[in-house]
Formats: sequence, C-alpha cells, structure tokens
Amino acid sequence: SQQGEEDPQALSIQEGENATMNCSYKTSINNLQWYRQNSGRGLVHLILIRSNEREKHSGRLRVTLDTSKKSSSLLITASRAADTASYFCATDDSSYKLIFGSGTRLLVRP
Amino acid sequence: KAGVTQTPRYLIKTRGQQVTLSCSPISGHRSVSWYQQTPGQGLQFLFEYFSETQRNKGNFPGRFSGRQFSNSRSEMNVSTLELGDSALYLCASSVARAGANVLTFGAGSRLTVL
Repeated sequence: SQQGEEDPQALSIQEGENATMNCSYKTSINNLQWYRQNSGRGLVHLILIRSNEREKHSGRLRVTLDTSKKSSSLLITASRAADTASYFCATDDSSYKLIFGSGTRLLVRP
Repeated sequence: KAGVTQTPRYLIKTRGQQVTLSCSPISGHRSVSWYQQTPGQGLQFLFEYFSETQRNKGNFPGRFSGRQFSNSRSEMNVSTLELGDSALYLCASSVARAGANVLTFGAGSRLTVL
C-alpha cells in the first residue's frame, strides 16, 4: 500500500525555473525522505528530514515538512535538463519499512 | 565501494513458471528490502530482511517469497507467475540505522511475463 500521494503527478518546466512537488501522507512518521529515479532505473536518495525538523537544504534542494498537515514539499531551484526524472517521497515510521508515494514526473525543457 | 547488484537485469518468463532474483547489498549493509514497481501501482513494498530474518512484509500473496543469507545477500522468488507480475523488481540495502533508514537501490530486475 502507498502511504504518500504526490502532487502534481507530472510537471513540465523550462530550464532555470524552480520546480515544486508536494507529498501528503497518512500516518505518524519518524522521518520523510525524497528519492529520485531516472527512467526505470534504481532510486537515488536525495535528502532526509526528521519529524522534528521543519526545513532542510542540500545544494539546490529545499525540503519542508509540516507534521500537523502530514505534508512535505521538495523545491528544486534553478532546474537543469539533467534534473528530468521521477521524484518520490518515502515515509519511515521506524519499522525499517519505507513506504513510497506515487511520484512526480519532472520534465525540464532545455 | 561497490553498489547494490541485482541479477539478472532482464528476464522473460511465461505464465506458470517461477523466477528467482538475486541481490548483493553494499558491504556492511545488513538490511535488504525488496520493492515491486509497476506503472499502475507504483512502488509497492514486498519485504525486508535483516540478519537472515524477515522483519517486515508487504501485502503480497504467498507466491512471493524471499530469503537472506549469512553474507546478507538476498533472493526473492515468485512462483506460478501471472501476467500481472510483470514489473521492475528493485532491491535496496541499508545499514538499518534507527530513525534514519536510508536505502541504496540497485538498478532493478525487469521481469516480463508472457
């Protein structure tokens, strides 16, 4: 079963623009993670935010977490064509079972 | 250091057959998780193994099984294959750090059932 629902399902932007994708989840979590997947390959971990954190930065990535609304957002600034991929949020309730959302397909046009 | 290795990368089977997929985790990683990815259902959790024990299990029928060996390598098996089992099967390993279980994924095994 999927814990998270992501919004939008697909996003198309111009290179240089910012991309924002959102994730909502249903149950209590210990942390929330974002992963990236390039065309049917394995997923790559991007960033982890703990339940007691509200915002975290890593390079061009900014993640926010609102546990009261059970939602998170991933912002990619100054996007590049190489950022074209699918992005997934994953929730960790400390059971060592990560549950992934449905994903957002991002297309960055050169 | 070497990443997570999954074999085979591609395979074609027919309905009713069985298949075994293999996963070699990153050295030192004792937890191995398996996921099924399909266009319709997304990423679905299959099971997670730690120290040769199945610690978590998803909502899949008993045709899906797995095991982990003493060297942390893992296999999953699907018996009596159905058309709907066609998917990308992803394996991921981690050090299973409490509160920060970050997964490193392999490239996947793409199964086609005809």
